[in-house]
Amino acid sequence: QSALTQPASVSGSPGQSITISCTGTSSDVGAYNYVSWYQQHPGKAPKLMIYDVSNRPSGVSNRFSGSKSGNTASLTISGLQAEDEADYYCTSYTSSSTRVFGTGTKVTVL
Amino acid sequence: QVQLVESGGGVVQPGRSLRLSCAASGFTFSRTGMHWVRQAPGKGLEWVAVISYDGSDKYYADSVKGRFTISRDNSKNTLYLQMNSLRGEDTAVYYCAKDRTSPTIDYWGQGTLVTVS
Repeated sequence: QSALTQPASVSGSPGQSITISCTGTSSDVGAYNYVSWYQQHPGKAPKLMIYDVSNRPSGVSNRFSGSKSGNTASLTISGLQAEDEADYYCTSYTSSSTRVFGTGTKVTVL
Repeated sequence: QVQLVESGGGVVQPGRSLRLSCAASGFTFSRTGMHWVRQAPGKGLEWVAVISYDGSDKYYADSVKGRFTISRDNSKNTLYLQMNSLRGEDTAVYYCAKDRTSPTIDYWGQGTLVTVS
């Protein structure tokens, strides 16, 4: 049950687009379309931003989008805003019926 | 609206036990898979355990297998985590979370802090 691999940090200027990668294996990310992304502000509970690779829950801005290719999933934030500064985590269902989280990415808005 | 309220956290000595509870409301608890996820201070999220809607299936992270037990009481809309043989590395905020219809965690509680020291 090794954690999915994410970059430790990503930064961008307001209005720009950034992409966060999430690399797993053929037993998790590559095997199922059950990849989700969460946003977490300091001291707060995580918030679901993307589910089933590319679906947005009601109320989440369409500036957030998700995709997957092979064993790597990606979260793209377009039109970056100050409020997007937070930690982001991916997660995947696994072949053992467990879940595995990514290592987390700190997004900084310059 | 969905509400998940954890309780039972605190300071406990290594080797001792603690039971966490999570009171659920705002959705049909008896039809929903439930999780525990933890976050050590300053660290990332770590999935701990999941239980199916009727309690028949349970899965655990290797780091807690054999020490932690997830359970539920659908008559009380409550989720539990029995934690035995606690270690310093179990120190974390423990979140209760619910599944969507697909195996995706969609809502989280605010968490309860467990300190093993």
